[in-house]
Amino acid sequence: AQSVTQPDIHITVSEGASLELRCNYSYGATPYLFWYVQSPGQGLQLLLKYFSGDTLVQGIKGFEAEFKRSQSSFNLRKPSVHWSDAAEYFCAVARGSGTYKYIFGTGTRLKVLA
Amino acid sequence: DTGVSQDPRHKITKRGQNVTFRCDPISEHNRLYWYRQTLGQGPEFLTYFQNEAQLEKSRLLSDRFSAERPKGSFSTLEIQRTEQGDSAMYLCASSLDRGQHEQFFGPGTRLTVL
Repeated sequence: AQSVTQPDIHITVSEGASLELRCNYSYGATPYLFWYVQSPGQGLQLLLKYFSGDTLVQGIKGFEAEFKRSQSSFNLRKPSVHWSDAAEYFCAVARGSGTYKYIFGTGTRLKVLA
Repeated sequence: DTGVSQDPRHKITKRGQNVTFRCDPISEHNRLYWYRQTLGQGPEFLTYFQNEAQLEKSRLLSDRFSAERPKGSFSTLEIQRTEQGDSAMYLCASSLDRGQHEQFFGPGTRLTVL
């Protein structure tokens, strides 16, 4: 069965510092991969997605992620964090056939220090 | 705005009451998904429709839950005899049934059962 692991429940960084949020997935083939951000009480906003092709994916708000098949990882990065990036971040995986339902990780809550 | 819409955005009810939520997908999307997100967790798949046919239901969807999509357009999710454990954010998403089947999420309905 597919699964997604986000090992870090909470991460705190200083404004201007770099950020990396980890995501590991379990799936037999190359899945579709996504990162979403959710502010308190809000819905999900898609940051970026990977379906195939170039393994380094650029997203909105200056985020990028790299698909590493050998490590079953899809880590999210940002070179310089802004206070407005404080939110919860979810990694998701979907099988590229059948239901196409999304399996989400448990999320990483990001706190940004001024 | 032609995105996914959900109504109501918030619902407070007493234990034992029935509630119904509505989701209006993007108009040309024939796949529609329901997810549930409890506090501190990522969204979890509940069920999905291909046009008016409900093709998969999660084990999370107990017999108190029923979903419909009668004309293949909007969908409703009903919870009968609500319990406090039903308190969650209920998210709807829609997609085309071709290509990467990318899902677009609505803002969610937040249910609080007192």
